[in-house]
Parts: sequence; structure tokens; C-alpha cells
Amino acid sequence: GAVVSQHPSRVICKSGTSVKIECRSLDFQATTMFWYRQFPKKSLMLMATSNEGSKATYEQGVEKDKFLINHASLTLSTLTVTSAHPEDSSFYICSARLGVEQFFGPGTRLTVL
Amino acid sequence: QKEVEQNSGPLSVPEGAIASLNCTYSDRVSQSFFWYRQYSGKSPELIMSIYSNGDKEDGRFTAQLNKASQYVSLLIRDSQPSDSATYLCAVNIRISGTYKYIFGTGTRLKVLA
Repeated sequence: GAVVSQHPSRVICKSGTSVKIECRSLDFQATTMFWYRQFPKKSLMLMATSNEGSKATYEQGVEKDKFLINHASLTLSTLTVTSAHPEDSSFYICSARLGVEQFFGPGTRLTVL
Repeated sequence: QKEVEQNSGPLSVPEGAIASLNCTYSDRVSQSFFWYRQYSGKSPELIMSIYSNGDKEDGRFTAQLNKASQYVSLLIRDSQPSDSATYLCAVNIRISGTYKYIFGTGTRLKVLA
């Protein structure tokens, strides 16, 4: 149980394009999901908390117009990186909360050329 | 003071030894504590949750919680090379009246064959 999937696992895109990443809780409903970013050999950085049916809560310094989050159902949250640039290249990981525990998706590696 | 602190390591132990990973936290009223394992290039995987003072054992893993001293530790018995990874401590901490999941920066463990 408590399986979270992410799609795609890897994406390479040109600078200026937008990229959508999906996060799904496969065997449970998650009213709250989280989006993290991790640079190589660095710690997890929470970007935003995604709440089903309401606006996401962004951490300080994270541009909400740059990183669009939609949590339209109890099993799906999406993160759209708009007008991606090379500095947005990173490992994006979502997690879903079940009770007090968080379960992570496998991550999406984004490379912006 | 950081909310959740871990020694970044690397912690090197020989195969078969006990690896001891430590984590301290700042919020006295934290109730939930978690250990995650993260292999290089992969997302974190929940391996232990602990909520009460004392020890909690699961296979080769033992989590130890001491709320009075505000630390939580993870012991890995009979360490294997496959245990080599970064271990992240996470704590549910109250910030501005709401609870947030805070991760430490992780301890890199190397088990030497």
C-alpha cells in the first residue's frame, strides 16, 4: 500500500517550454500532496503544499506563477514548470500524505537545454 | 538553530557492524518522527516511523526516540553494502500554529565490504 507514482520520470526540453509533471496516489486518497526539488548532493527543498480543491501554499522564494500547481482530485496533483530555463533543471519529487506519514513518488528529472 | 539537525557524514562502517545515525530537533512538542532512506538518484523511501519514547524495531532497523533530550536515532544492525545511502530524519514540527514536516539534511552512510 501507499504507492505514489510520478510521470514522466525524465524529461528534456528546450528553454522557454512548459513542462507538466503528474503525481498520483495509486492506492489511497490524498487531500494533501507536496512538491519538492532537489539539486545534486543537496537536501530536499519543499516548494509547495498542494491541497485538494484549494490553492496551493508556496514556500518563501518559490514563484507561484512559475510553478503552477493543480490538485483537482484526491489522487492527482500536477506541477507545471512554465517557461522553463536551464536553472530549473533539477530532480522534482512529489509526496502524498497518508495520516501523518508522507510517501514519495519516484521523482522526475528535468533537464532544460 | 536548525529545526532538524543531522551530521552530514559520511559515516563509514564495515560490513556486519552496527550503523548508528542520529538526529536532533528543536520543537519540544513534536509528536511524529520518521526515517527515510534515499539512494543516489532516487527519491526517499520511508523505512521507520516512531511516535513514543523508547525503541521500535523492524527487522535490522531500530528507531530510538527520546523526547526529553529531543533526539531520535536509527540503528542498522548487520550493515550491508546495500544499506549505503543517505538517511533523512523528518519531524512533524509546529511552525506558526500549524504542523509541518521538516527534513534534516541527511547523513550519508557507507558500508564497506
